[in-house]
Amino acid sequence: DGGITQSPKYLFRKEGQNVTLSCEQNLNHDAMYWYRQDPGQGLRLIYYSQIVNDFQKGDIAEGYSVSREKKESFPLTVTSAQKNPTAFYLCASRSGTPEAQFFGPGTRLTVL
Amino acid sequence: AQSVTQPDIHITVSEGASLELRCNYSYGATPYLFWYVQSPGQGLQLLLKYFSGDTLVQGIKGFEAEFKRSQSSFNLRKPSVHWSDAAEYFCAVGRNYGGSQGNLIFGKGTKLSVKP
Repeated sequence: DGGITQSPKYLFRKEGQNVTLSCEQNLNHDAMYWYRQDPGQGLRLIYYSQIVNDFQKGDIAEGYSVSREKKESFPLTVTSAQKNPTAFYLCASRSGTPEAQFFGPGTRLTVL
Repeated sequence: AQSVTQPDIHITVSEGASLELRCNYSYGATPYLFWYVQSPGQGLQLLLKYFSGDTLVQGIKGFEAEFKRSQSSFNLRKPSVHWSDAAEYFCAVGRNYGGSQGNLIFGKGTKLSVKP
């Protein structure tokens, strides 16, 4: 089955530690996205990548980093510079424009 | 700047009643419009999309939405709500120009509760 997988589903980290969230898609989509979701805030774009080996900052990129070395993978690192990292993180991909984005199941990160 | 407004944070309807969720957007050109649904702790699922053509679009799970350019609206409707429709609903507009082409701007969501 084609789709987007995110792992792990739940992640706990101590304050000051970097953590990497995984996102993999087998839809052969060119574009991939990372969003952060907080209660009552909707979805806010962290980073996006329109093509392999290229990515752009979204609206709230500070304290995050990404890589796009393979078409199917777009990992997100939450660094210790992110002041309030506890949130629900969603990965998405898109095949072209004006196509819709398709979402993974999300990772809930809790920083203790 | 582009924006999406969902005026209702929380709506409660009785099972079997009709539903309309409001969405207004601000965009200079013909927008690409989407409705997504999210169950607690899950990812977003696409309900329907509008790119062009017929302004009344049909989606999955019995939902439909109507694009009204004059009102800058894209309201979601369902004639008879089921208990399983309880979830959070997000409206989004797609950017169709420049380097951020294909990016989405989301509203803050409307949470739907269904009374038995």
